[in-house]
Amino acid sequence: AQSVSQHNHHVILSEAASLELGCNYSYGGTVNLFWYVQYPGQHLQLLLKYFSGDPLVKGIKGFEAEFIKSKFSFNLRKPSVQWSDTAEYFCAVKRNYGQNFVFGPGTRLSVLP
Amino acid sequence: NAGVTQTPKFQVLKTGQSMTLQCAQDMNHNSMYWYRQDPGMGLRLIYYSASEGTTDKGEVPNGYNVSRLNKREFSLRLESAAPSQTSVYFCASSPGPYGADTQYFGPGTRLTVL
Repeated sequence: AQSVSQHNHHVILSEAASLELGCNYSYGGTVNLFWYVQYPGQHLQLLLKYFSGDPLVKGIKGFEAEFIKSKFSFNLRKPSVQWSDTAEYFCAVKRNYGQNFVFGPGTRLSVLP
Repeated sequence: NAGVTQTPKFQVLKTGQSMTLQCAQDMNHNSMYWYRQDPGMGLRLIYYSASEGTTDKGEVPNGYNVSRLNKREFSLRLESAAPSQTSVYFCASSPGPYGADTQYFGPGTRLTVL
């Protein structure tokens, strides 16, 4: 069975600190990869996605993620976080064959002003 | 353009009661989904619908039924609610097939089963 793991349950940073949230998946085939964000009191929205091509993808609000196939990873990064980045972040993986689309358990990010 | 809407926003049920969660999208999307979100477990797919008139089970379908009434609407029914169904329920839609496209989420329904 495919699974998606996110390394940290809760990350606390000060404003201007750099962010890296880990995401690993267990399936070795071709995959589609997503990062979604849920701001407090709001619904999930897409940050970025990777289907093919350049493994470094850029999303909204200064976020980027790098797909490293050999490590089965799709880590999310931002050079300098803001208080408004406080949210829960979900990695999600879809294999190109079959119906499995799996969300990770989420990482809660708290940015201190 | 409201996107994905869900009703109700909050609901409290007693064990054994039934209810239907409503979802509608106005983006002309083909695919629609129902997820539940539980602490520490991310979102888990309950059912999805690739097109009007078709539905398929997801990871956690037991205790739920769905109906794709038309292209816009996708409802989730709990026939006999159980405390294990206490959760936040999200409806989502996407233009293309499951997992091959961005999903757009509704605001969620917080359900408590006593």
